[in-house]
Amino acid sequence: GALVYQYPRRTICKSGTSMRMECQAVGFQATSVAWYRQSPQKTFELIALSTVNSAIKYEQNFTQEKFPISHPNLSFSSMTVLNAYLEDRGLYLCGARRAVQDTQYFGPGTRLLVL
Amino acid sequence: AEKVIQVWSTASRQEGEELTLDCSYETSQVLYHLFWYKHLLSGEMVFLIRQTSSSTAKERSGRYSVVFQKSLKSISLIISALQPDDSGKYFCALWEPDTNAYKVIFGKGTHLHVLP
Repeated sequence: GALVYQYPRRTICKSGTSMRMECQAVGFQATSVAWYRQSPQKTFELIALSTVNSAIKYEQNFTQEKFPISHPNLSFSSMTVLNAYLEDRGLYLCGARRAVQDTQYFGPGTRLLVL
Repeated sequence: AEKVIQVWSTASRQEGEELTLDCSYETSQVLYHLFWYKHLLSGEMVFLIRQTSSSTAKERSGRYSVVFQKSLKSISLIISALQPDDSGKYFCALWEPDTNAYKVIFGKGTHLHVLP
């Protein structure tokens, strides 16, 4: 099956600092990568979608200025949480899809704690 | 309004029993896909099973199967012969490719506790 790795698995950062997380698709080329966040007591909400040959599309309430994403090739994506504050804590999942009609497979997540 | 609704936030069963997790959804699209994922304590989101709106096949994968009632906009996950390792949080998710090519909308999840 498709494998998606995320790094780091958990991290702690000081309020106001930034933190970068990575997502790697193994064994397949991800034509799209989606980043989700699960805040405490909430379900998963989409932050942004990065698709090959298209601009990165951010959902309402999320901006490139706050969550810049890099998708340099078909197997790797990274996202940075800039100026992290308490409300940014949670589990960040990366979902990768091989083709348009394919199932989205998720990595194990990066758990962010902000102090 | 929520597009994916999982009414039960928690469920408990004994090992060996069968469980049905319910999910209802809202969509005006003809083509859509429904997924069930299991979210582990480790953070991993494991894909379990998928149902495409145009399919009449009864999807099954190992001990997982679904009951898809398209007219009711309902999809239930059935887990047979429950094992303690089945404990975790189960998410139902909807994907409407024609509205947003890659966005998956999740329900709030149902915590399952399987007692040995």
